[in-house]
Amino acid sequence: DTAVSQTPKYLVTQMGNDKSIKCEQNLGHDTMYWYKQDSKKFLKIMFSYNNKELIINETVPNRFSPKSPDKAHLNLHINSLELGDSAVYFCASSQGRGLYGYTFGSGTRLTVV
Amino acid sequence: GESVGLHLPTLSVQEGDNSIINCAYSNSASDYFIWYKQESGKGPQFIIDIRSNMDKRQGQRVTVLLNKTVKHLSLQIAATQPGDSAVYFCAENLDKAAGNKLTFGGGTRVLVKP
Repeated sequence: DTAVSQTPKYLVTQMGNDKSIKCEQNLGHDTMYWYKQDSKKFLKIMFSYNNKELIINETVPNRFSPKSPDKAHLNLHINSLELGDSAVYFCASSQGRGLYGYTFGSGTRLTVV
Repeated sequence: GESVGLHLPTLSVQEGDNSIINCAYSNSASDYFIWYKQESGKGPQFIIDIRSNMDKRQGQRVTVLLNKTVKHLSLQIAATQPGDSAVYFCAENLDKAAGNKLTFGGGTRVLVKP
């Protein structure tokens, strides 16, 4: 009965590979997000979707492509992985586009070697 | 809690004492603020929020104070417990044109000593 679930929890891969991280929420929220947390714990927003529509697209390399098949799912695909992509990626969701707190998933630790 | 250099600022507190975590926010136009707690290996967890039409809000053992004059937010934890050990983040809706976009501060690590 996890509210926001991400898979996989850990991902170790070589430079140049393509990988995907999946996120699902069962809260009935209609807005979902991807955040990146670096080694200094700094959290930075990458993307946001509201009802499958992209509403926030921060300055992120084109190698990162989000995809939202429905409002309960937001996946993140990363092409040509680089060492600097190593981080913890968090999915989150919130209700609507108003002022509401997010519910975060438990994160995916990506290590590029 | 803003990050300083390469290290998270750390607050060491004795179990049972009160903790105060501070945060300077960026934009005087921000009107929504949240405190999150992140335990090791987990995602950030919502603690308490406050809107700019308030200057104080209380939850269970936590109080958030908002001083808009100096753009300062604080989180007070009463009777700190070992389970309160975590990294705490403040967040603001910095860019309202982008909808519910929360921008996070650098975090403060709280260590509770038994």
